[in-house]
Amino acid sequence: SQQGEEDPQALSIQEGENATMNCSYKTSINNLQWYRQNSGRGLVHLILIRSNEREKHSGRLRVTLDTSKKSSSLLITASRAADTASYFCATDAADSWGKLQFGAGTQVVVTP
Amino acid sequence: GAVVSQHPSRVICKSGTSVKIECRSLDFQATTMFWYRQFPKKSLMLMATSNEGSKATYEQGVEKDKFLINHASLTLSTLTVTSAHPEDSSFYICSARNRRLDRGEQYFGPGTRLTVT
Repeated sequence: SQQGEEDPQALSIQEGENATMNCSYKTSINNLQWYRQNSGRGLVHLILIRSNEREKHSGRLRVTLDTSKKSSSLLITASRAADTASYFCATDAADSWGKLQFGAGTQVVVTP
Repeated sequence: GAVVSQHPSRVICKSGTSVKIECRSLDFQATTMFWYRQFPKKSLMLMATSNEGSKATYEQGVEKDKFLINHASLTLSTLTVTSAHPEDSSFYICSARNRRLDRGEQYFGPGTRLTVT
């Protein structure tokens, strides 16, 4: 079953705008990860945030984690056309032995 | 880096035949490899977890006799779809965790598009 649920399912923005997507989950986690997938390709790891962290940055990416609400958000600032992709959150649950449960994903389209 | 390759990238086979997909970690040793299946515009569904030298652990609902997984070395895992049917057509993706630098993230292969006619 899918642990993470993402919102929105799809997002269309213009270059230069920020894109925010959210992920909710149900069980205790060791960490939460965000991945990106271009159409028909494999996934690329973007960022990992541990359960004891609240915020993490990597370049134009900012991830927050609220374990009390069991939710996370991914912010892409100053988006570019090349950011067009599907973005997935994945949770490494406390009792999962390293298995990831992926959310449904957010499809982001950035128009020039 | 942490590069994972998959071969083939695309395969078309006839119903009833078997297809083998290889997943290799090119520049690191993989503690564990995972096999996923993805339907169009859907998320990844974990099929099984593969550890070197031991039997794979399959997720509920995944037929282990149909999806044979062999993890022969720390850099190679294979998925064989046996007696393939059209409903097995899908995008299959593997991933690996780095044995030495295990921080929890997985490194994904580029995927294999299987079409069963």
